[in-house]
Amino acid sequence: DTGVSQNPRHKITKRGQNVTFRCDPISEHNRLYWYRQTLGQGPEFLTYFQNEAQLEKSRLLSDRFSAERPKGSFSTLEIQRTEQGDSAMYLCASSLLETEAFFGQGTRLTVV
Amino acid sequence: KQEVTQIPAALSVPEGENLVLNCSFTDSAIYNLQWFRQDPGKGLTSLLLIQSSQREQTSGRLNASLDKSSGRSTLYIAASQPGDSATYLCAVSGTDKLIFGTGTRLQVFP
Repeated sequence: DTGVSQNPRHKITKRGQNVTFRCDPISEHNRLYWYRQTLGQGPEFLTYFQNEAQLEKSRLLSDRFSAERPKGSFSTLEIQRTEQGDSAMYLCASSLLETEAFFGQGTRLTVV
Repeated sequence: KQEVTQIPAALSVPEGENLVLNCSFTDSAIYNLQWFRQDPGKGLTSLLLIQSSQREQTSGRLNASLDKSSGRSTLYIAASQPGDSATYLCAVSGTDKLIFGTGTRLQVFP
């Protein structure tokens, strides 16, 4: 197993465009988390899945954000009508229930 | 609401020093505490996981302790090296998500 994989690693987009990120968790990990991190800050929780069920969404996750995890495997995070304030590193992590969480390398989004 | 604080925010030490990074949290009802390392522009690398029933964990030159009752954890790095330069983050979790501190940025100079 190669760990948590995120694609793309970098994304530059124009304001108002839609973007989609993908996360492939460690196989057999039933929990998958999305976080957002801006410069100099710790990661902020966005949402998490247990298998295919989305169990919690942060208030940070506006209506422009949507996440899915079909069949409890990979997950996608879509941002519609991007704004400059969406520029950040988007991190994905996976774990087996309440055990050690492993993070991917992140997707750096720049909105111009 | 759980809040996690890390002190100091930044630390610069000469190579070879032993050092301690601090993490405090407001709600002692946690399942786990995890320490991570983050290099600039990269993702997070898990260093140590301490379960709520444990008091410490060790991995190589790293030792992490947990005192749930006082809401504190420390990460001890022995004989620091320039390669240890990074941001160190602690995170606590209940039955669901991890909540992070803002990290300690460590620089070890030769």
